[in-house]
Amino acid sequence: GAGVSQSPSNKVTEKGKDVELRCDPISGHTALYWYRQSLGQGLEFLIYFQGNSAPDKSGLPSDRFSAERTGGSVSTLTIQRTQQEDSAVYLCASSLGTEQETQYFGPGTRLLVL
Amino acid sequence: DAKTTQPNSMESNEEEPVHLPCNHSTISGTDYIHWYRQLPSQGPEYVIHGLTSNVNNRMASLAIAEDRKSSTLILHRATLRDAAVYYCILRGLNNAGNMLTFGGGTRLMVKP
Repeated sequence: GAGVSQSPSNKVTEKGKDVELRCDPISGHTALYWYRQSLGQGLEFLIYFQGNSAPDKSGLPSDRFSAERTGGSVSTLTIQRTQQEDSAVYLCASSLGTEQETQYFGPGTRLLVL
Repeated sequence: DAKTTQPNSMESNEEEPVHLPCNHSTISGTDYIHWYRQLPSQGPEYVIHGLTSNVNNRMASLAIAEDRKSSTLILHRATLRDAAVYYCILRGLNNAGNMLTFGGGTRLMVKP
C-alpha cells in the first residue's frame, strides 16, 4: 500500500519568505508527527497530532512555526518569515496512534533558505 | 525520557554478522526498546522492538540484557544495503505525545 508522502521533495526559498510543507499520512493512521533534521544532526520532534485531540506543539522552535491537520488526514507545516537556520530536512511520520505503534516516515522535504 | 548511549560509528564486512550495542542504564520498567534505522537520503524506518525477551524478525534480532540496562541489535549477515544510521530509542508506556526521541545513533559502514 501507499506509504507516507511529502511534498515538495525540495524547496529553496529566500530568507523572510513563508513556506508550506505538505504531508499525506498512511490511510487510517490517526497519529501524525513532524520532525526536522538539520545537516549532520539527529531528528528533532516538532509537533504531534492524534485524532481530534489538541496537537502537542511542545517541539516547535518558535512561533514562526505552525501546523494544521485537516479532516484528520493531510497535514501542512508552515514556516513564516523563514531564517537560514530553518534549513533542514522536514520529516513527517504517521502511526496507528496507539502506544508503541511503529511510526512510518515519509521521504522528507529538504528546505534550503538562502 | 531515559537516555540511550551508542557508539558513533561501526564498521563491518559484507556478509558478516554485526552487533550494534546500546546502553540504557536508566531504563524504567515500562520502557520498550525500539530500533530504527535511516538509510542515506531517506526517512527512518522501523527495525525491531522489545521489552524483556529477545526478539527476532526478518530484518534483525534484538538481544536484551537480563537487567535491561543494555541491548544489542544483531544483523545476521550485513549487506551493503544495511549501511545506515541505527537509532536505539526508549519508549515508555506513559510517553506523553508518543513521539520518538532520537539520539545520535550509530553510523554503520559495510565494506564489500
